[in-house]
Amino acid sequence: GDSVTQMEGPVTLSEEAFLTINCTYTATGYPSLFWYVQYPGEGLQLLLKATKADDKGSNKGFEATYRKETTSFHLEKGSVQVSDSAVYFCALSDPDGNQGGKLIFGQGTELSVKP
Amino acid sequence: KAGVTQTPRYLIKTRGQQVTLSCSPISGHRSVSWYQQTPGQGLQFLFEYFSETQRNKGNFPGRFSGRQFSNSRSEMNVSTLELGDSALYLCASSLDGTRGETQYFGPGTRLLVL
Repeated sequence: GDSVTQMEGPVTLSEEAFLTINCTYTATGYPSLFWYVQYPGEGLQLLLKATKADDKGSNKGFEATYRKETTSFHLEKGSVQVSDSAVYFCALSDPDGNQGGKLIFGQGTELSVKP
Repeated sequence: KAGVTQTPRYLIKTRGQQVTLSCSPISGHRSVSWYQQTPGQGLQFLFEYFSETQRNKGNFPGRFSGRQFSNSRSEMNVSTLELGDSALYLCASSLDGTRGETQYFGPGTRLLVL
């Protein structure tokens, strides 16, 4: 079945460091890909998304490119801030279009940014 | 525009009881999905409702059920609670739940089963 694999956390960085969180997926079709972020005690917020191969999603300095050839959607940010500390989830929506509003999530990567 | 709201935010129940959680989607959204989040299993899809019909269902026992009303508000019910049902239950809404459409999440209901 379809699945998403993220790099394990926690990831601890100093402020202004470069961030990469790896995400790879397995799907039989052509899924849409998402990054969501969860701050402590809150629900999930969409960070960015890409709906087809080679699309780049970007928001708040974060970027991710949909790479079909490597089935990847790695999240990057050039300079992290303490306020970026959160749990990040990579997700895909059902590629066959038959599963409607179903998201498949990776296990999440906790990011901690130290001043 | 108001976001997705979930009530209650916190619940404590005992084993064997049942519980009903409520979700009000963003105005105009017709698709509502439910997810269970636990430290061990992560985020797992429970089911999705669209226009008052269950369109998709995840791999959960029949104790987990839901429904959607004509105003798109949704409820989920868990009967005969087990300790393992302790989790954060998240609701998400979207316009019609098609592939690639953004799902907007509520703050969740945290359920503790004792």
